[in-house]
Amino acid sequence: DVKVTQSSRYLVKRTGEKVFLECVQDMDHENMFWYRQDPGLGLRLIYFSYDVKMKEKGDIPEGYSVSREKKERFSLILESASTNQTSMYLCASSFSQTEQFFGPGTRLTVL
Amino acid sequence: GENVEQHPSTLSVQEGDSAVIKCTYSDSASNYFPWYKQELGKGPQLIIDIRSNVGEKKDQRIAVTLNKTAKHFSLHITETQPEDSAVYFCAASTAAGNKLTFGGGTRVLVKP
Repeated sequence: DVKVTQSSRYLVKRTGEKVFLECVQDMDHENMFWYRQDPGLGLRLIYFSYDVKMKEKGDIPEGYSVSREKKERFSLILESASTNQTSMYLCASSFSQTEQFFGPGTRLTVL
Repeated sequence: GENVEQHPSTLSVQEGDSAVIKCTYSDSASNYFPWYKQELGKGPQLIIDIRSNVGEKKDQRIAVTLNKTAKHFSLHITETQPEDSAVYFCAASTAAGNKLTFGGGTRVLVKP
């Protein structure tokens, strides 16, 4: 059974804190993605990675960075959390232009 | 870049009726169009996809149609059931890349 896991389902942080969201996939996929989901806006791509140590900016990278040291793990980092980063964060993985498999999401609240 | 618009944002149907969700895209180079279903508390899951060399695809009660000239594609759900209640997302991508651009989502409610 294919699986994408995310480190937390719910997270509450304070403004200015550094936040790490972790994602692990067990399907040996080369591509991994981080999205944020907000009502009415769908899923917006923050960053993606097509190989270890490779990353590309998505549509809304400002305020975020990523790390991919191992093929199965892709981390999203909020260097200094702000209230407008309160959102649902979804990680996904895939082979090239095929089905993306999503994790269950992390609902982050920044106070 | 690509822009995908999805309508309606909410859709309420009676059990047994059909539901139709429509999406338009802007990049004529897009050639892969998946549809995802997101149930409460879960991540989105692929339910059907279509590539630009095909005009229609069916899988049991679900069908997707693609009009490349008009740059729009639609999801059709027939004989809706309560378990079809969810949020549905359309998306588009080009052959050159692996990233998807998603529509804003449609919340479907099937009333028993």
